Amino acid sequence: DIVMTQSPDSLAVSLGERATINCKSSQSLLYISNNRNYLAWYQKKPGQPPRTLIYGASTRESGVPDRFSGSGSGTDFTLTIRSLQAEDVAVYYCQQYYSTPQTFGQGTKVEIK
Amino acid sequence: EVQLVESGGGLVKPGESRRLSCVVSGFILSNAWMTWVRQAPGKGLEWVGRIKSKSDGGAITYAAPVKGRFTISRDDSTNTLYLQMNSLKAEDTAVYYCATDPGQSAYWGQGTQVTVSA
Repeated sequence: DIVMTQSPDSLAVSLGERATINCKSSQSLLYISNNRNYLAWYQKKPGQPPRTLIYGASTRESGVPDRFSGSGSGTDFTLTIRSLQAEDVAVYYCQQYYSTPQTFGQGTKVEIK
Repeated sequence: EVQLVESGGGLVKPGESRRLSCVVSGFILSNAWMTWVRQAPGKGLEWVGRIKSKSDGGAITYAAPVKGRFTISRDDSTNTLYLQMNSLKAEDTAVYYCATDPGQSAYWGQGTQVTVSA
């Protein structure tokens, strides 16, 4: 199984500042035949379903604010929240869908400093 | 408007069975690969399993903790996805979500709570 490891486990960022979450996979998520990375990012708030933010490592889901961006390739990926807003307080997860079983990172809790 | 509505959750005793349903509207279920994801209390997200569309072969795969106990199926004629859960254990207690597989248009249900307790 592919192991997904996120860092840090939590971070506190001031409103308007940048938040950066890292995600590392135990093997490459890059599908050579189509040059796509099979990596997604989710936002999870209590009492709500997960919200898909990013798929393909860097493609923003429809309706997601452009302050959210994804980058990386192969085994190292990053979710950046460019200017943190109060409504961004949540737990963020990366997930690989390169192979089954699909696996999630352990989550990163983002709070306001 | 796209909707995924789960139902069937509740309180069950260890060893019992439960079937969850996920009725979708606003998109064509038959074209979609669908997954079940769960979140236990205080824990992270956990992938449960996936079913491909029939046109892509319909293969089903499961996470190790549920393999042999859980069965995913689909009825495209009624736009319904199912999760049959047998031999339930306390560690299956979670909110269960149905969702489209990553990489497709992203749709999630609101979730249904399953509590396994004597």
